[in-house]
Amino acid sequence: GAGVSQTPSNKVTEKGKYVELRCDPISGHTALYWYRQSLGQGPEFLIYFQGTGAADDSGLPNDRFFAVRPEGSVSTLKIQRTERGDSAVYLCASRIGGGGELFFGEGSRLTVL
Amino acid sequence: DAKTTQPPSMDCAEGRAANLPCNHSTISGNEYVYWYRQIHSQGPQYIIHGLKNNETNEMASLIITEDRKSSTLILPHATLRDTAVYYCIVRVAEYGNKLVFGAGTILRVKS
Repeated sequence: GAGVSQTPSNKVTEKGKYVELRCDPISGHTALYWYRQSLGQGPEFLIYFQGTGAADDSGLPNDRFFAVRPEGSVSTLKIQRTERGDSAVYLCASRIGGGGELFFGEGSRLTVL
Repeated sequence: DAKTTQPPSMDCAEGRAANLPCNHSTISGNEYVYWYRQIHSQGPQYIIHGLKNNETNEMASLIITEDRKSSTLILPHATLRDTAVYYCIVRVAEYGNKLVFGAGTILRVKS
């Protein structure tokens, strides 16, 4: 498709499990962002990639969270030892270069039981 | 990035103009004002942005005060599909600079 694609759209897991969330940005977009959104709040920045490298990971809450973008396109957000507080919608966004409009996917809803 | 202040919610009648205010009294000279909206269960969607001058596109108009301490997003003829959370964000348009979202304004368009 033409937009940002995120999979899975919904993920239910148990406390302590490992989770991977995938983001397929718009073709040609070099900048990729991950955000997290809890119910009733605005999106919260997690990490930003320019190409393959993480240019800003200041929003990652702790070392259980990690993200990669090995070929500068698809990105995976990895969460280890999930906790109930990790339950949220995880949003991915991409843009051409460093400026301009940010295009968001529809998010992956994570529920940790 | 400077912080913004928006009312938590607003109502608007269908077909009327929706005027959404935003205060950004600490905005710096090189910071732009951006507006995004988020319809239920979707990702945020870009609407418009501006620096000093008023801007208009097919979705909305952005009016920025001369001192740049506040702005208003105008949806000229609101429809039920415009019901969403509207976020006003200020940021320096530098390479890679992230968007910092606040709580936004819930706009309810009613028939």
